[in-house]
Amino acid sequence: AQSVAQPEDQVNVAEGNPLTVKCTYSVSGNPYLFWYVQYPNRGLQFLLKYITGDNLVKGSYGFEAEFNKSQTSFHLKKPSALVSDSALYFCAVRVNSGNTPLVFGKGTRLSVIA
Amino acid sequence: KAGVTQTPRYLIKTRGQQVTLSCSPISGHRSVSWYQQTPGQGLQFLFEYFSETQRNKGNFPGRFSGRQFSNSRSEMNVSTLELGDSALYLCASAPDRISGNTIYFGEGSWLTVV
Repeated sequence: AQSVAQPEDQVNVAEGNPLTVKCTYSVSGNPYLFWYVQYPNRGLQFLLKYITGDNLVKGSYGFEAEFNKSQTSFHLKKPSALVSDSALYFCAVRVNSGNTPLVFGKGTRLSVIA
Repeated sequence: KAGVTQTPRYLIKTRGQQVTLSCSPISGHRSVSWYQQTPGQGLQFLFEYFSETQRNKGNFPGRFSGRQFSNSRSEMNVSTLELGDSALYLCASAPDRISGNTIYFGEGSWLTVV
């Protein structure tokens, strides 16, 4: 079975400060990890993914995430937050074999305050 | 390239009725997945179709069904609607069933059951 935990329902950060949105996962096997963002009344937009290789993954809009196998984590980060980054962020995982569906965390609402 | 298109965007149904939602994947994409999003449960996987065959199914009652056509377009149907079926229904597509592929979401269909 595979699962994702996003331990914070809400993260507040001041504009210009660095932001981190946390994600831990559990899979039987090697994971493929994804981050998506959802703006109000919209679908999910893909930000970045880790498949293999470099543990630091860079994605859209200046976001990056670091895969840490020993801590089973894939935290999303950005060096300088913008008000426009305020949205709902989802971490997702699937095991790298067996064609299993993508499993999502509950989501973390990020509020960037001007 | 056009994205994933879902219709209708908004609909209101009465308990006991049935509803059909439609999804057109990105051109060339052959895998279509459906998810239900609610505030309490987050994103829950419904089913995945590839080559007109259901490949994966989530833990939903038999009232939830789907199908895929030869042009990869997909529909999902919910019969005997219940108040708890009120949700955002998201369709996502991918080129094929390779686990590392990114899945791309549509804007969703907002269903309200009254």
